[in-house]
Amino acid sequence: QVQLEQSGAEVRKPGASVNISCKTSGFGFSDHYMHWVRQAPGQGLEWMGLIHPKSGDTNTAQKFQGRVTMTRATSVNTIYMEMSSLTSDDTAMYFCARDFYGDYSAAFAIWGHGTMVAVSS
Amino acid sequence: SYVLTQPPSVSVAPGQTATITCGGNNLGTQSVHWYQQKPGQAPLLVVFDDSARPSGIPERFSGSNSGHTATLTVSRVEVGDEADYYCHVWDSSSDHQVFGTGTRVTVL
Repeated sequence: QVQLEQSGAEVRKPGASVNISCKTSGFGFSDHYMHWVRQAPGQGLEWMGLIHPKSGDTNTAQKFQGRVTMTRATSVNTIYMEMSSLTSDDTAMYFCARDFYGDYSAAFAIWGHGTMVAVSS
Repeated sequence: SYVLTQPPSVSVAPGQTATITCGGNNLGTQSVHWYQQKPGQAPLLVVFDDSARPSGIPERFSGSNSGHTATLTVSRVEVGDEADYYCHVWDSSSDHQVFGTGTRVTVL
């Protein structure tokens, strides 16, 4: 079945970087946009950016440009999100999500379980 | 940047109808999607492209979109519908995805 398996929780100190993975299965890896969404404790959903696994093209939300890098490894059907210069404001649950039908405007039909990142000195 | 505004909370009695709004400039010209999120869980898509339902989502969930407001309607509300609900669009002008501010639905 369609699955998005995310890497485990991370704890980092301020100023450090974190790299989260999202392994996909059950669908054509090259057929859908993959998105990253985060949610700070008690807060709403915040879109971070997307990657198209076939081309590697990315689109990063303005807020995260220069600090977030999204990549993919087609050999293992996995996408990655690296965030640098972490602050306590980056403490959040990070989700990967797959679009519904391979279009920019499509809904996010499938979600990973989330990866908790805690930033604390 | 494009802003989607939702009421922070909606309260409804079991069996009644919950109406959740999402406001944005000329929202009716865009495709709106809706998600349900329960505590400790990932969001779940309940309505896409304004009014379509994914497989497995009850008919009690319906959506509409016109003018500057999209609406998610949950009919015959059940205790299990208690959750946070978010609207979502792709803003073509910025080429960015945008989520609404979220609405907590409480079943009294």
